[in-house]
Amino acid sequence: DGGITQSPKYLFRKEGQNVTLSCEQNLNHDAMYWYRQDPGQGLRLIYYSQIVNDFQKGDIAEGYSVSREKKESFPLTVTSAQKNPTAFYLCASSIDRGMNTEAFFGQGTRLTVV
Amino acid sequence: AQKITQTQPGMFVQEKEAVTLDCTYDTSDPSYGLFWYKQPSSGEMIFLIYQGSYDQQNATEGRYSLNFQKARKSANLVISASQLGDSAMYFCAMREGASNTGKLIFGQGTTLQVKP
Repeated sequence: DGGITQSPKYLFRKEGQNVTLSCEQNLNHDAMYWYRQDPGQGLRLIYYSQIVNDFQKGDIAEGYSVSREKKESFPLTVTSAQKNPTAFYLCASSIDRGMNTEAFFGQGTRLTVV
Repeated sequence: AQKITQTQPGMFVQEKEAVTLDCTYDTSDPSYGLFWYKQPSSGEMIFLIYQGSYDQQNATEGRYSLNFQKARKSANLVISASQLGDSAMYFCAMREGASNTGKLIFGQGTTLQVKP
């Protein structure tokens, strides 16, 4: 079955640690996105990538980094510079960036700082 | 600036009744798409329905329909014959045609609870 797989489902981070969230898709989509969701709020864009080896900052990129070495993979690293990383992280992909193009989402990773 | 507003933080509906979830949007781009997503407690975002800015008719998908009023910049979701499984958070989102990111702009969401 085609889809987006995020792992792990739950992640705990100690203060000062970097952690990496995995996102893999087998939909052959060019565009991939990382969103952050805080309780009771909508999703905010962290980073996006429209093609392999290219990615751009979204609205809240500070304290995060990404890579896009393969079309199917778009990992997100939450660095120690991110002051408030506890949130729900969602990865999405779409075949292109057209206005009528549906975005497909993974099941999310819930990150908690301990 | 582009924006999505959902003014209903929470809604209740009796099983088998219809419910309308409100969404208003703001954009200066004449070309845009409007999406509704459902987020159950498990967390994944499930696509429900799409409406393009140039579409003449309101979109429908099974029990979901979109009441699109372009002049008022509203795109309300109507769920007919509510089921217990419809209990979830619902998000309205917009993608602008001129966007070079393809990003979706989301509203704050509405939590819907269906009562038996």
